Amino acid sequence: DIQMTQSPSTLSASVGDRVTITCRASQSIGNWLAWYQQKPGKAPKLLIYKASTLESGVPLRFSGSGFGTEFTLTISSLQPDDFANYYCQQYNSYLYTFGQGTKLEIK
Amino acid sequence: QVQLQESGPGLVKPSQTLSLTCTVSGGSIYSGNYYWSWIRQHPENGLEWIGYIYYTGNTYYNPSLKSRVAMSVDTSKNQFSLKLSSVTAADTAVYYCARQICGGDCPRGFFDYWGQGTLITVSS
Repeated sequence: DIQMTQSPSTLSASVGDRVTITCRASQSIGNWLAWYQQKPGKAPKLLIYKASTLESGVPLRFSGSGFGTEFTLTISSLQPDDFANYYCQQYNSYLYTFGQGTKLEIK
Repeated sequence: QVQLQESGPGLVKPSQTLSLTCTVSGGSIYSGNYYWSWIRQHPENGLEWIGYIYYTGNTYYNPSLKSRVAMSVDTSKNQFSLKLSSVTAADTAVYYCARQICGGDCPRGFFDYWGQGTLITVSS
């Protein structure tokens, strides 16, 4: 299995901050990576796929980058609605795996 | 707008079979561009992909669950289903159905639409 490791597990930030979440794969996955946002009691919502392609309707303050084993999700200026859990998912192999999640909380 | 909705009993006894159905609306399950997946989320937040089914009935399951999983599709009802046998407390989780879109080299892909999720508790 390809293991996905996110850091940090918890991130405290303020509205207006620029924040970055990192996702590392245990082996190269090319750019076959997606990012999701999940709020309490809700299903995950697709933000980014193919490492850097923004899903339709997702605000431009979200961006993704990376290739191979290291990837980042950046939010350029945090808004109140952005405080949530974030997950990465690889789809390079047929056994899809997710990161353990990053909780983005208000400082 | 595509919508997915899980249905099934919320409580299952240990050693029994968990059965869930996902009803797709706003789009056809018959589309060749999509696969239909089940994903679960344990209380500690971890997301685990269970497997997918294609409208033809072709399936691929997570090897860790393969011996206990069976999926089926009913194109006439625009539904697909999950059966997980011999459940234990470790199978307690929120179960999601999701549409899997090809990420380039089909069927590998990511999930663009999800159901709201249904909590399944395994307890006697």
